[in-house]
Amino acid sequence: GQQVMQIPQYQHVQEGEDFTTYCNSSTTLSNIQWYKQRPGGHPVFLIQLVKSGEVKKQKRLTFQFGEAKKNSSLHITATQTTDVGTYFCAGPGGSNYKLTFGKGTLLTVNP
Amino acid sequence: DSGVTQTPKHLITATGQRVTLRCSPRSGDLSVYWYQQSLDQGLQFLIQYYNGEERAKGNILERFSAQQFPDLHSELNLSSLELGDSALYFCASSVGDRDQPQHFGDGTRLSIL
Repeated sequence: GQQVMQIPQYQHVQEGEDFTTYCNSSTTLSNIQWYKQRPGGHPVFLIQLVKSGEVKKQKRLTFQFGEAKKNSSLHITATQTTDVGTYFCAGPGGSNYKLTFGKGTLLTVNP
Repeated sequence: DSGVTQTPKHLITATGQRVTLRCSPRSGDLSVYWYQQSLDQGLQFLIQYYNGEERAKGNILERFSAQQFPDLHSELNLSSLELGDSALYFCASSVGDRDQPQHFGDGTRLSIL
């Protein structure tokens, strides 16, 4: 079945440093979604990318969808303590009805 | 506040028991999804309902079942509980049945003793 891999599993940074997490799918995706889960919280939808090579920005967050629509990345510029949490990517499975989530990247930020 | 309501927030029970988790989707959302989150397995999709009908199934055990009612709320029934069923169970909802952003509830933390 479809697999969605994320790296790294963990990332610890100093406040102000940049952070990037990568997502790779075993199959071509029609779209990819990103979610953030704060410690003790629930996943919160961040963004959806649909087009090949698409780049979207949300303040300090930059999301990119690969040309082959099999990979994606999330880059955070100048991290802040409020960025702490686990970032998940998720892509639709073969039937397109269900989302397959990556295992996430846990970001911790040292103030 | 995502608008998705899950009850109860915490549930403690013993092996062999049966529990029911409840979810009310956001107003206007027709799809409900159930996920299991544990430390070692991440966020695992269990099942999806759309407007009362089952739409997709993930790695849901035969001991687990779900349904969506005419008022669109959903219930996840877990029976013959085992220690390994201890996890956080999330419900999410979306407007449509595919390729939609999902809005998650706060989850139900299930502890099996």
